[in-house]
Amino acid sequence: AQSVTQLGSHVSVSEGALVLLRCNYSSSVPPYLFWYVQYPNQGLQLLLKYTTGATLVKGINGFEAEFKKSETSFHLTKPSAHMSDAAEYFCAVIRGGKFQFGAGTQVVVTP
Amino acid sequence: EAQVTQNPRYLITVTGKKLTVTCSQNMNHEYMSWYRQDPGLGLRQIYYSMNVEVTDKGDVPEGYKVSRKEKRNFPLILESPSPNQTSLYFCASSGGTGGYEQYFGPGTRLTVT
Repeated sequence: AQSVTQLGSHVSVSEGALVLLRCNYSSSVPPYLFWYVQYPNQGLQLLLKYTTGATLVKGINGFEAEFKKSETSFHLTKPSAHMSDAAEYFCAVIRGGKFQFGAGTQVVVTP
Repeated sequence: EAQVTQNPRYLITVTGKKLTVTCSQNMNHEYMSWYRQDPGLGLRQIYYSMNVEVTDKGDVPEGYKVSRKEKRNFPLILESPSPNQTSLYFCASSGGTGGYEQYFGPGTRLTVT
């Protein structure tokens, strides 16, 4: 069995500050890892993904994530928050056809 | 335009009245999936399909049925809806089960009274 844990259901950041969203997975074998973003009243949109190869993955809108096998983590960062980053963010894994999502982290950006 | 469509977008129904939520994709994707989204629980997978006539249970399949008779369509059927199935439902499709991006539909907000 595997699960995805996102630390912090709500994160508040100041505009221009670092955004750090934490994701840990439990699995004996590294799965494929994803970060999705959901803006209000919309579906989910892929930010970035890790499959194989380079452990630092760059995505859209200035986000990046680093896969750390030893820590079973895939934390999402953005150096400088923008007001448009206010949304809910989901970490997800897939193995064998089954997707599992974390509970989500709501990001609020304050001026 | 590549997209996943769902209908209806909003539905209010009563306990026990059978309903179907349709999902269609125009990207010739093999993989399709249904999720429900509830506050504090994220998205939970209901059913998924790796290809035509191939479906499998996700983490929360109880009370739901699906079918995949055509590659583009993957309807979700609630034969006897109950209030605990009130939720926001998303359909998604992708090119496969590896590192493929999932494309999500706009969601269907279902209320069962």
